[in-house]
Amino acid sequence: AQSVTQPDIHITVSEGASLELRCNYSYGATPYLFWYVQSPGQGLQLLLKYFSGDTLVQGIKGFEAEFKRSQSSFNLRKPSVHWSDAAEYFCAVGVPYSGAGSYQLTFGKGTKLSVIP
Amino acid sequence: AAGVIQSPRHLIKEKRETATLKCYPIPRHDTVYWYQQGPGQDPQFLISFYEKMQSDKGSIPDRFSAQQFSDYHSELNMSSLELGDSALYFCASSLVVTGTDTQYFGPGTRLTVL
Repeated sequence: AQSVTQPDIHITVSEGASLELRCNYSYGATPYLFWYVQSPGQGLQLLLKYFSGDTLVQGIKGFEAEFKRSQSSFNLRKPSVHWSDAAEYFCAVGVPYSGAGSYQLTFGKGTKLSVIP
Repeated sequence: AAGVIQSPRHLIKEKRETATLKCYPIPRHDTVYWYQQGPGQDPQFLISFYEKMQSDKGSIPDRFSAQQFSDYHSELNMSSLELGDSALYFCASSLVVTGTDTQYFGPGTRLTVL
């Protein structure tokens, strides 16, 4: 079965500093990979996704992620963090299922980001 | 742009009662997914529907059932509610194109069972 590991439960960075959130996955084939962000009490907003092709993926709000097959990783990065980036970030693996339809998402436990002004 | 609509946004029920959560997907989307997020937890996949047929099933309790209607909206029915059912329930929708579609999430329904 697939799984996603986000090793950092909570990260604190200063505004303007760079950010890297780690994500490792376990899956028998090439997965679909996603990063979602969730503000307190809110829904999940997609930051970026990887299905195939270029392993460096650009997303919204200045985020990017790099798929490294050899390391089973899909780390999220941002060169300069803004106070409004404080939220919880979830990495997810999309596992296709047979038959009509798409895939189900398996999420990591999340990384809470705090930003110091 | 239109987003996924969920209603109600908040729901309070007593143990052993029933609850119905509704999801209205983005227009023209043909697939609906339900996820459950317990307090401080990651979202867990419950069930999905493609073109009004159940397409996949996750960790959905037997007390829960769901369906997708002809207008593509979906309802999650929960019976014999337990305290542990208190959670944020998300609906997501997508337009399936060769399986590389994106799931767009609604704001969620927060269910509290007392």
